[in-house]
Amino acid sequence: GAVVSQHPSWVICKSGTSVKIECRSLDFQATTMFWYRQFPKQSLMLMATSNEGSKATYEQGVEKDKFLINHASLTLSTLTVTSAHPEDSSFYICSARAKRKETQYFGPGTRLLVL
Amino acid sequence: RKEVEQDPGPFNVPEGATVAFNCTYSNSASQSFFWYRQDCRKEPKLLMSVYSSGNEDGRFTAQLNRASQYISLLIRDSKLSDSATYLCVVKGGYQKVTFGTGTKLQVIP
Repeated sequence: GAVVSQHPSWVICKSGTSVKIECRSLDFQATTMFWYRQFPKQSLMLMATSNEGSKATYEQGVEKDKFLINHASLTLSTLTVTSAHPEDSSFYICSARAKRKETQYFGPGTRLLVL
Repeated sequence: RKEVEQDPGPFNVPEGATVAFNCTYSNSASQSFFWYRQDCRKEPKLLMSVYSSGNEDGRFTAQLNRASQYISLLIRDSKLSDSATYLCVVKGGYQKVTFGTGTKLQVIP
């Protein structure tokens, strides 16, 4: 199957710092990428959907100024958590989907711990 | 009512047993359905798509009942390696994808 990578896999940072997470589709062109967040023992919650070359669409309740998403190329999307706080600690997972395909392929996730 | 609902479990079954999970969805206009598997602290991986006519992949059978708005996953001859959380995923209009909270399966030796 298709491969999606995420970097970094683990981040521990101080409150107030910004953290950038990269999501790459390694062997296909991802016209659409999704960013999810998953708190312990809860389901994946979609944060935003981004199409290459256009602005991301954020889900209700997700602050677009706090979670900056850039999808500048068909193989790379980034999520920047600005001024992270302890309540932002979570498992952030991206997924990617090729044009006119239904299947989403997930990255391995990034665990963020804000102290 | 949640858009996608699953029994969180856990389902504790002995090796070799058959186990079934259901997932209900509220939007009758939902278009596509999937089962994903998520191991502890890992990303979800696609297990199988669910087709209207039902489909089988080895020990796994998925069924869709549009009239009652549910999908099911049947696992036969459970293996220890089947222990995971099984996520029901529903795709609706505007490409919106909604995940269920997952059903945890624990296969016991």
